[in-house]
Amino acid sequence: QSALTQPASVSGSPGQSITISCTGTSSDVGGYNYVSWYQQHPGKAPKVLIYEVNNRPSGVSNRFSGSKSGNTASLTISGLQTEDEADYYCSSYTTSINFIFGGGTKLTVL
Amino acid sequence: EVQLVQSGAEVKKPGESLKISCKGSGYSFTTYWIGWVRQMPGKGLEWMGIIYPGDSDTRYSPSFQGQVTFSADKSVSTAYLQWSSLKASDTAMYFCAKLDFDSGGMISGVDSWGQGSLVTVSS
Repeated sequence: QSALTQPASVSGSPGQSITISCTGTSSDVGGYNYVSWYQQHPGKAPKVLIYEVNNRPSGVSNRFSGSKSGNTASLTISGLQTEDEADYYCSSYTTSINFIFGGGTKLTVL
Repeated sequence: EVQLVQSGAEVKKPGESLKISCKGSGYSFTTYWIGWVRQMPGKGLEWMGIIYPGDSDTRYSPSFQGQVTFSADKSVSTAYLQWSSLKASDTAMYFCAKLDFDSGGMISGVDSWGQGSLVTVSS
């Protein structure tokens, strides 16, 4: 069971928008609307940004949005801020009542 | 407020056993799945598997099957992750996470994380 595929790194300038992709298969991303996105700052626990493809928990900025097409999910961050610099992980429900993560994407805000 | 509080950092020698804990509060502990996640130094997140505290139903990710054991004690609202014989490669941060359900009752993903337990295995 391989990890979901994410770009290793992305970068953007303050105020810009970036998109992080997350590619799986029909057994995970493509088969279920249970894709989540997490933000992790160094030395901290992950934080939930998006659940069920495109839902934001209360308290999460509306600058973060999620979508899915086929076997690929995406996280878009608009109006980049310096505090958005962090690692981002996607996760999907998969068969046998379990989950799988992407390899993670390091976001650099230039 | 939902909280998951994990046990503290551990330093162990190869071959020793270990059990770390994750205590849930602020919700019905027996009716939500708990997941365990490994993060090796400088690496990404890895799903280890999940446990349902209500009946201790467990689902291990293939890479972790037979390597670790999940358990739960409903009386103290605590989930556990244990090793019978640690290896240096078990050195990592381990997170527990509470899983939520969607409106149809399907497990949908994490809604709360523990703070993490650092395990160091070194001779």
